[in-house]
Amino acid sequence: DVKVTQSSRYLVKRTGEKVFLECVQDMDHENMFWYRQDPGLGLRLIYFSYDVKMKEKGDIPEGYSVSREKKERFSLILESASTNQTSMYLCASSLGDLPLHFGNGTRLTVT
Amino acid sequence: GENVEQHPSTLSVQEGDSAVIKCTYSDSASNYFPWYKQELGKRPQLIIDIRSNVGEKKDQRIAVTLNKTAKHFSLHITETQPEDSAVYFCAAISDKLIFGTGTRLQVFP
Repeated sequence: DVKVTQSSRYLVKRTGEKVFLECVQDMDHENMFWYRQDPGLGLRLIYFSYDVKMKEKGDIPEGYSVSREKKERFSLILESASTNQTSMYLCASSLGDLPLHFGNGTRLTVT
Repeated sequence: GENVEQHPSTLSVQEGDSAVIKCTYSDSASNYFPWYKQELGKRPQLIIDIRSNVGEKKDQRIAVTLNKTAKHFSLHITETQPEDSAVYFCAAISDKLIFGTGTRLQVFP
């Protein structure tokens, strides 16, 4: 069974802090994704990666960056956290074509 | 740009009744349509999917139908049970995966 692990379930950070959200998958998937989930807006793609050191912007990349130094790990970085980045963040991975396998999510609160 | 509209946003049914969630997509090149179920506090999980060369697919109490001409697809849950209560997301993919906004289904005993 595919396992996608997000390092934190809940995070509380202050405005202006640099925030790292970590995601690790154990099935050698080449594709990894970061989504944010907000009520009424569904799941929106922030960034994705099809290979190590490769990244592509999704629909809402502003205020975020990513890092993929190893195949199994995909990090989402908030360079300077703002209150409008308070959200649920979901990491996902896939092998080739879909389906996506999601992590349990990180609920981030920026105060 | 491409989008996926999902209706209704909330749905309440009595246990044993059927539930139907509908999605409409804009990109006619979309060729894969997964449905995800997200229980409270848990990750979204794939429950059923359909490809564009198929009109209907069933898996026990769950079915999905696809109308390519009208560009809409629907999730049907029959004989609903309280454990079906969750948020359901549809999605469509052409060159990228786009999710609907979700439907919160509540099944009352």
